[in-house]
Amino acid sequence: DGGITQSPKYLFRKEGQNVTLSCEQNLNHDAMYWYRQDPGQGLRLIYYSQIVNDFQKGDIAEGYSVSREKKESFPLTVTSAQKNPTAFYLCASSPTGTEFYEQYFGPGTRLTVT
Amino acid sequence: KQEVTQIPAALSVPEGENLVLNCSFTDSAIYNLQWFRQDPGKGLTSLLLIQSSQREQTSGRLNASLDKSSGRSTLYIAASQPGDSATYLCAVDSGYALNFGKGTSLLVTP
Repeated sequence: DGGITQSPKYLFRKEGQNVTLSCEQNLNHDAMYWYRQDPGQGLRLIYYSQIVNDFQKGDIAEGYSVSREKKESFPLTVTSAQKNPTAFYLCASSPTGTEFYEQYFGPGTRLTVT
Repeated sequence: KQEVTQIPAALSVPEGENLVLNCSFTDSAIYNLQWFRQDPGKGLTSLLLIQSSQREQTSGRLNASLDKSSGRSTLYIAASQPGDSATYLCAVDSGYALNFGKGTSLLVTP
């Protein structure tokens, strides 16, 4: 089955702790993305990567970090510096950038920080 | 910065009606526009992608149009069904990733 997996589906953390969200794809896509979704809001871009070992900040990168050591994997770390981390996090991938190809999304991880 | 707006924010229709969802964007220099469906608590499912050189795309009961010069797209859903109830998101390419609208929440009542 080809697709994007995100784990876990639900994640609970105490304030002040770092947490890492997993994203894996077996679609052989070059580009991967992390978005954040808040209730009643559109998705906002956190980080994106168009090739292994390279990534760029999106619109709301503060308090987040990523790595892209393998083509299949793009984990997102939510650090204690992120002021309001409770949200729904979505990972996506596409074949090469976004010019002519669809983005495919994972099922999401709902993070709750108390 | 590209701004994407979707109208209406919410819509309720009886089963069988045809309906139109609207999406507008401020910068007409786009590569493509994508319509997604999102069920509560779930990820996004791609419905249609329209490249900037295209005017419309069709998939089953769905038809999406694009007027790049006026910064508008519409998603037409024919003969709506209760299973169409979901949030519909419009997104435009910004050169490196997608810019999303806030979505239209659709409820189709039996």
